[in-house]
Amino acid sequence: GQNIDQPTEMTATEGAIVQINCTYQTSGFNGLFWYQQHAGEAPTFLSYNVLDGLEEKGRFSSFLSRSKGYSYLLLKELQMKDSASYLCAVKDSNYQLIWGAGTKLIIKP
Amino acid sequence: GAVVSQHPSWVICKSGTSVKIECRSLDFQATTMFWYRQFPKQSLMLMATSNEGSKATYEQGVEKDKFLINHASLTLSTLTVTSAHPEDSSFYICSATGQGGSQPQHFGDGTRLSIL
Repeated sequence: GQNIDQPTEMTATEGAIVQINCTYQTSGFNGLFWYQQHAGEAPTFLSYNVLDGLEEKGRFSSFLSRSKGYSYLLLKELQMKDSASYLCAVKDSNYQLIWGAGTKLIIKP
Repeated sequence: GAVVSQHPSWVICKSGTSVKIECRSLDFQATTMFWYRQFPKQSLMLMATSNEGSKATYEQGVEKDKFLINHASLTLSTLTVTSAHPEDSSFYICSATGQGGSQPQHFGDGTRLSIL
């Protein structure tokens, strides 16, 4: 079966750095996406990785290792507005997007 | 960036009513649109995938006669919840993607449906 694992909840302090991990087991791989979803709102696209390595976009970076079936989202200089759920999703060999359950990130002052 | 417009954003109606939700891609051609449902504090649940000009593909357990999907053009898909009941109350979100495997899904703002 297809499976995406990420922690249910994480807590971090304003101004700090947090890393949210995602491991996946899918039938084929055609890219990994990270989305942010604030409570009561729709998800917004953050990043896309298809090759191994680190993609940096401002305070957010995303890393991929295809051989390990592993990705992480790194958030630097945390702000209160970063409190949200972060969703990891993988496109399989049929280009179907398989969603993780999301990681709820709580930022404390 | 790519913009997807979804409306209405909020619907409250009586049991037995049918409700139509529209999803439009405003600045790109959406070859594929997706409809999701999300209950409070739960993850996204894909209901169906629709490609322009063809019938939608429904996920297991989703009643196609209950949730009618039309994707008549490259910029518009509609979801009609027929004869809605209180258990259909949920947050419905559409997303759209262009051609190419690297294209992300861009989401509409969602529709909060409350059936009394």
